[in-house]
Amino acid sequence: SQQGEEDPQALSIQEGENATMNCSYKTSINNLQWYRQNSGRGLVHLILIRSNEREKHSGRLRVTLDTSKKSSSLLITASRAADTASYFCATDFNQAGTALIFGKGTTLSVSS
Amino acid sequence: GAGVSQSPRYKVAKRGQDVALRCDPISGHVSLFWYQQALGQGPEFLTYFQNEAQLDKSGLPSDRFFAERPEGSVSTLKIQRTQQEDSAVYLCASSLATASYSNQPQHFGDGTRLSIL
Repeated sequence: SQQGEEDPQALSIQEGENATMNCSYKTSINNLQWYRQNSGRGLVHLILIRSNEREKHSGRLRVTLDTSKKSSSLLITASRAADTASYFCATDFNQAGTALIFGKGTTLSVSS
Repeated sequence: GAGVSQSPRYKVAKRGQDVALRCDPISGHVSLFWYQQALGQGPEFLTYFQNEAQLDKSGLPSDRFFAERPEGSVSTLKIQRTQQEDSAVYLCASSLATASYSNQPQHFGDGTRLSIL
């Protein structure tokens, strides 16, 4: 079963534009992470935000977390063709604490 | 090593055959995870090891799936009597974390793409 749901499923933008992806989840969390996956490759960790944080920045990435709405957003500013990938949010599995639960992902296409 | 290494990268097997997928985690990483990723979906948890101990195997879809990590480093995921629905990408990840795993990022290999004919 998948905890997170990303929105939109697919996003196409031009280089230089900003890209915003959203993630909603169902149960309470300790942390939420965002990962990127290039075609045919494994996932790469982008950023982790704790449940007591509301916003976090890393380079061109900005992540927000609203625990009252059980949602998070990932903003990529000044996008580049190299940002073309699938983006997944992942939440921790509260009970056993031994897994990340991933959403279905947003596929981002950045054209030059 | 520099990263998580998985082999083979691609595996084609006939239905009913057994397959073995290998994962070399980052040296010193205590935690090791296996995930299954269907086309167009996010990874789904299969099993978790802390060193050589398999602490959670709740995600394994059937008793045809078996994973081991006998010396606390390399891990093997074995699928017996493969079925077409086993076709997927199998991802391995490792992390430094012992407890509170979710405070640490997971480092993924590039996966093994398994196709069952």
